[in-house]
Amino acid sequence: EVQLVESGGGLVQPGGSLRLSCAASGFSFSDHYMDWVRQVPGKGLEWVGRSRNKRNSYTTEYAASVKGRFTISRDASENSLYLQMSSLKTEDTAVYYCCRGSYSSSPNLDYWGQGTLVIVSS
Amino acid sequence: DIQMTQSPSSLSASVGDRVTITCRASQDIRSWLAWFQQKPEKAPKPLIYDISSLQGGVPSRFSGSGSGTDFTLTISGLQPEDSATYYCQQYSTYPLTFGGGTKVEIK
Repeated sequence: EVQLVESGGGLVQPGGSLRLSCAASGFSFSDHYMDWVRQVPGKGLEWVGRSRNKRNSYTTEYAASVKGRFTISRDASENSLYLQMSSLKTEDTAVYYCCRGSYSSSPNLDYWGQGTLVIVSS
Repeated sequence: DIQMTQSPSSLSASVGDRVTITCRASQDIRSWLAWFQQKPEKAPKPLIYDISSLQGGVPSRFSGSGSGTDFTLTISGLQPEDSATYYCQQYSTYPLTFGGGTKVEIK
């Protein structure tokens, strides 16, 4: 059974940093693209970024709103995905979801974690 | 960026009704279109990918169609448990983008 479990959310001050983790299980982690998607409570979904699979050297893509501030990485030995967030802004307040990309040449997001809430506030 | 426009933003329908939600992309996204269902306080649930392929375990009353820039999610025979917000998403081009959502309520 595919499972994605996020952790690391919490309250952080503007300008601060936070690292989110996503523990993956039930599939071959290195074979799949992995994404982060966020949602401001009560609002719509926003794609944050992607880590491609091992075959594609775990290269990354980011939304313009987070590029240069957020970094996606993996620890394949731990089957874990990370989102390092720095220079946080109040508008980064959201629930952050970890998502698996399907095994496809153009992956769709076929599994989602339960999300972790990040609140950026003084 | 590719803009995804959903309509309507909300609708109310009766159990058993046929419900249609549309999604328009600002440019051709070929077949890279997905639909998600989200209930309050829950993570989005994948419903459909590649325009019309059902994710595992999704009831057959859900279907997707369309091509190029215009797409449709249809619920044939609305059920009480279908009350949710539905999002379309393109995965043709970075950044991946979502529609604004359609809230479906049961009369």
